Amino acid sequence: NAGVTQTPKFRVLKTGQSMTLLCAQDMNHEYMYWYRQDPGMGLRLIHYSVGEGTTAKGEVPDGYNVSRLKKQNFLLGLESAAPSQTSVYFCASSSPGQPTTEKLFFGSGTQLSVL
Amino acid sequence: GEDVEQSLFLSVREGDSSVINCTYTDSSSTYLYWYKQEPGAGLQLLTYIFSNMDMKQDQRLTVLLNKKDKHLSLRIADTQTGDSAIYFCAEKGTAAGNKLTFGGGTRVLVKP
Repeated sequence: NAGVTQTPKFRVLKTGQSMTLLCAQDMNHEYMYWYRQDPGMGLRLIHYSVGEGTTAKGEVPDGYNVSRLKKQNFLLGLESAAPSQTSVYFCASSSPGQPTTEKLFFGSGTQLSVL
Repeated sequence: GEDVEQSLFLSVREGDSSVINCTYTDSSSTYLYWYKQEPGAGLQLLTYIFSNMDMKQDQRLTVLLNKKDKHLSLRIADTQTGDSAIYFCAEKGTAAGNKLTFGGGTRVLVKP
């Protein structure tokens, strides 16, 4: 039972570098999300997708881009990393329906440091 | 926009009850959730409550909802050392996409 898999688990970038975080889910979920977690601020939604080929902005989208070319994958890109993007990034997925099926399944996170 | 607030830290002795509080601002919330995050892991759903309920009990967990005051609480009975974690309150509004707004998390430390 893989669930939601994020790669990489850790990454250190220099300011201005770019990278892509990959999220893969094997539960056939329609919805996928990228959150960032910062101390004392909980999780803030960056971008989300309600289906293959669709994406939408969340609460803190600036500096990030996403793509959902395949239903099972959701990519988060940083084109020009900044120190303010140092955070732990979580991917999640869910399906529409009753609350027990609408619950979010989370990956184990990616620790990103931008120097 | 929506806002969800929680206290940052709670210390409790093993065997006592823990109460974690949460307030939210979105009056159109449909469901409210409690998620648990253990060190180095993602969040896992603990329990949820529908907005037209005022109480839900699930084994050692009791959720109380005061919709008028927009106040949610999670009570953990007989707290164990394995309950040490960060607990997040989250609310779901009516927008499509199952988007949740999370509180900042309450770190619970259970002392033996």
